Amino acid sequence: QVQLQESGPGLVKPSQTLSLTCTVSGGSISSGGYYWSWIRQHPGKGLEWIGYIYYSGSTYYNPSLKSRVTISVDTSKNQFSLKLSSVTAADTAVYYCARVSGYTRFDYWGQGTLVTVSS
Amino acid sequence: QSALTQPPSVSGSPGQSVTISCTGTSSDVGSYNRVSWYQQPPGTAPKLMIYEVSNRPSGVPDRFSGSKSGNTASLTISGLQAEDEADYYCSSYTSSSTPRVVFGGGTKLTVL
Repeated sequence: QVQLQESGPGLVKPSQTLSLTCTVSGGSISSGGYYWSWIRQHPGKGLEWIGYIYYSGSTYYNPSLKSRVTISVDTSKNQFSLKLSSVTAADTAVYYCARVSGYTRFDYWGQGTLVTVSS
Repeated sequence: QSALTQPPSVSGSPGQSVTISCTGTSSDVGSYNRVSWYQQPPGTAPKLMIYEVSNRPSGVPDRFSGSKSGNTASLTISGLQAEDEADYYCSSYTSSSTPRVVFGGGTKLTVL
């Protein structure tokens, strides 16, 4: 059973960089066949795809966030990470990590972590 | 504004059937059979219910079914149960600019 767990600061100051890590257990990122994704959900709102990464390092990003987003992978730790720069209050959201097959089948999700942007 | 359009809410009584629509464009839903549906009860992570338009992952009841016609995908839940009350989201692959994923705005299902 694949499990994903997000970790990182729950509070980030405006203009700083939000950094989160997703640790995968029960399966190896380096085995291939899947993309590994970040998705966020603003309070009381819908889901927004941020981007995803393949174990080789290939990435695809949401064009609306692309200039501020970096997703990276560390296969030795079986983790992938999200960095979102120059954050504002509009980036306050629950951030989820997920495994993806077939580009759009988000079949395993982390529990989500709330990140608040505030001074 | 979400790329895929869903009704904000639907409702039905136990035992009835409800259908949730997800309308996109010829750049996403209309061109690819890569539509998925997710169920999200309050305070929990989304759960995959349907993938590639009409396929159910193992463990999802066959009361849940998906279909697509043109630029609109649909999720039908038959034999409604109280436990089905949740938010439902559709998603689709799109290559309108660069390969990516778009979600619908979500539909709140209320079981009366």
